[in-house]
Amino acid sequence: DAGVIQSPRHEVTEMGQEVTLRCKPISGHDYLFWYRQTMMRGLELLIYFNNNVPIDDSGMPEDRFSAKMPNASFSTLKIQPSEPRDSAVYFCASRPGAEFTEAFFGQGTRLTVV
Amino acid sequence: AQSVTQLDSHVSVSEGTPVLLRCNYSSSYSPSLFWYVQHPNKGLQLLLKYTSAATLVKGINGFEAEFKKSETSFHLTKPSAHMSDAAEYFCVVSTTGGFKTIFGAGTRLFVKA
Repeated sequence: DAGVIQSPRHEVTEMGQEVTLRCKPISGHDYLFWYRQTMMRGLELLIYFNNNVPIDDSGMPEDRFSAKMPNASFSTLKIQPSEPRDSAVYFCASRPGAEFTEAFFGQGTRLTVV
Repeated sequence: AQSVTQLDSHVSVSEGTPVLLRCNYSSSYSPSLFWYVQHPNKGLQLLLKYTSAATLVKGINGFEAEFKKSETSFHLTKPSAHMSDAAEYFCVVSTTGGFKTIFGAGTRLFVKA
């Protein structure tokens, strides 16, 4: 398996534009997570899914953020409209639904909003 | 609710000396615990994980961690630091059943020559 695949790796956009980050989890993994990493706040869990269903979105900062998982092999995180304070590295991770198994991370998307 | 606290934001050691990175967790049930490492501008790599089979867990690159339930701790150690160990280390807790996976704030390890 190629691991968790995120795209794009880098994104530069202007304030006010819509941004869509994409993630392909490892096949067979039941859980998918979206994290945001910044210097000030570290790694924050934004939302996670189990079998394509959102379980906990309490970390989503505001209504400008939305995430979907239309099927087991694809998820998106959308920011509309984007703001400079959204600049961060966004990680996607997936894991099997068994105790004591770890999450596998993608390489991240570095988002810069200017 | 689960939470994890890394007690040091920065740790500096000399090459060849021991490393200790401290982590305390809060969990209503027996947690799953992990340590991840992140090198500059890189992704996250699993160092080791607690699976309940043994309280002393061995990981990659000579790292170990000991699960102490009475102290709710899962400290990471290495007998002898190497320059390549310089990175950020994250202690992670995963809730039982729900699998919500939460990161500590991270400890940046500096290794001096």
